[in-house]
Amino acid sequence: GNSVTQMEGPVTLSEEAFLTINCTYTATGYPSLFWYVQYPGEGLQLLLKATKADDKGSNKGFEATYRKETTSFHLEKGSVQVSDSAVYFCALGSSNTGKLIFGQGTTLQVKP
Amino acid sequence: GAVVSQHPSWVICKSGTSVKIECRSLDFQATTMFWYRQFPKQSLMLMATSNEGSKATYEQGVEKDKFLINHASLTLSTLTVTSAHPEDSSFYICSASPGHEGSGRNEQYFGPGTRLTVT
Repeated sequence: GNSVTQMEGPVTLSEEAFLTINCTYTATGYPSLFWYVQYPGEGLQLLLKATKADDKGSNKGFEATYRKETTSFHLEKGSVQVSDSAVYFCALGSSNTGKLIFGQGTTLQVKP
Repeated sequence: GAVVSQHPSWVICKSGTSVKIECRSLDFQATTMFWYRQFPKQSLMLMATSNEGSKATYEQGVEKDKFLINHASLTLSTLTVTSAHPEDSSFYICSASPGHEGSGRNEQYFGPGTRLTVT
């Protein structure tokens, strides 16, 4: 079945450091891929998405490229800020059902 | 745009009582709404999918008689936790999608969540 695996956290970085959060998936068909962010005490917000292979999603300095050959959708940011501290979820959208399958989440803590 | 609200944001109830949580899409019509449960420091677990005007589809292991879902209109879905017990304490999150179930490329817009504590 479909599944998403994220790197385990927490990830602790200093401000302005480079961020990579790994995400790999297994899926049948042609899923869409998403990154959601959850700030403390809040619901999930869509950060970026990609709907087909080689698409790059980007938003607020974050980027992720849909790599079908490596079944990956790694999240990157060149220079993190304290305000980026949150939990990041990689998700796969089933092409058949519209359901989202989430990874386990990765907590990012950025220190000044 | 694409705002989803939940009410209440938190609720405390006594064991054995029922609690209703509302999920509303404020600026779009949601053909499909999803209900998730999130345990502390864990991922979201899909509980059920509801389409307006039809019965909800529950995920395996979710008791449909305990978690009653009603999708009465294109902007409102409710989750009722019946005869709540302490183990039902959790963070419940809804999401809404403007597309019909079956399109994996439709985004889901999430509500802020409801913290339920059963004493």
